[in-house]
Amino acid sequence: KAGVTQTPRYLIKTRGQQVTLSCSPISGHRSVSWYQQTPGQGLQFLFEYFSETQRNKGNFPGRFSGRQFSNSRSEMNVSTLELGDSALYLCASSWDSSGNTIYFGEGSWLTVV
Amino acid sequence: AQRVTQPEKLLSVFKGAPVELKCNYSYSGSPELFWYVQYSRQRLQLLLRHISRESIKGFTADLNKGETSFHLKKPFAQEEDSAMYYCALSGLREYGNKLVFGAGTILRVKS
Repeated sequence: KAGVTQTPRYLIKTRGQQVTLSCSPISGHRSVSWYQQTPGQGLQFLFEYFSETQRNKGNFPGRFSGRQFSNSRSEMNVSTLELGDSALYLCASSWDSSGNTIYFGEGSWLTVV
Repeated sequence: AQRVTQPEKLLSVFKGAPVELKCNYSYSGSPELFWYVQYSRQRLQLLLRHISRESIKGFTADLNKGETSFHLKKPFAQEEDSAMYYCALSGLREYGNKLVFGAGTILRVKS
């Protein structure tokens, strides 16, 4: 079965713009989480959605937001981009929100110039 | 607060030598611990989790609550083990699927 799919894989944006990243979880998975990966801060949790509800949120400013649709697909949005938002954004899915194995996508590489 | 510490950025060993990747954690509740691995140009994937007590690809890890450690071990390293290894913690009851990751350790196995 298909793994977690993220689009776009690579993108370049200008400071001040906004960006939307998309994630399609593994079929049947209802939990989707997002992580930011940078060389300096490593892997940091952004948020988790389960059945269209935000289950948990990390310590990121309000410019970072997300949502989940009824088909479990998820999007995350970053508004007013800053240079420091340049990172690999990873999406992960799981059957539910109670500790089943979490599967990661390949990520979306965002460069802010 | 949840925290995971991996003290070594890079661990370099010869093929056939034993490997131990260190992981210490801080969490006031009952944690669940994981090891994730990322091979070159591949996605992050689960290697093992403490509750399953499995040995995957020859790797084992034991949760030591007294020392708050979850070190990853393999008796004989192979070249294909070269990868980035992340230790991660989850506090399911409070935090759902949120994972707190350590900084990662690059394992380099030399021939």
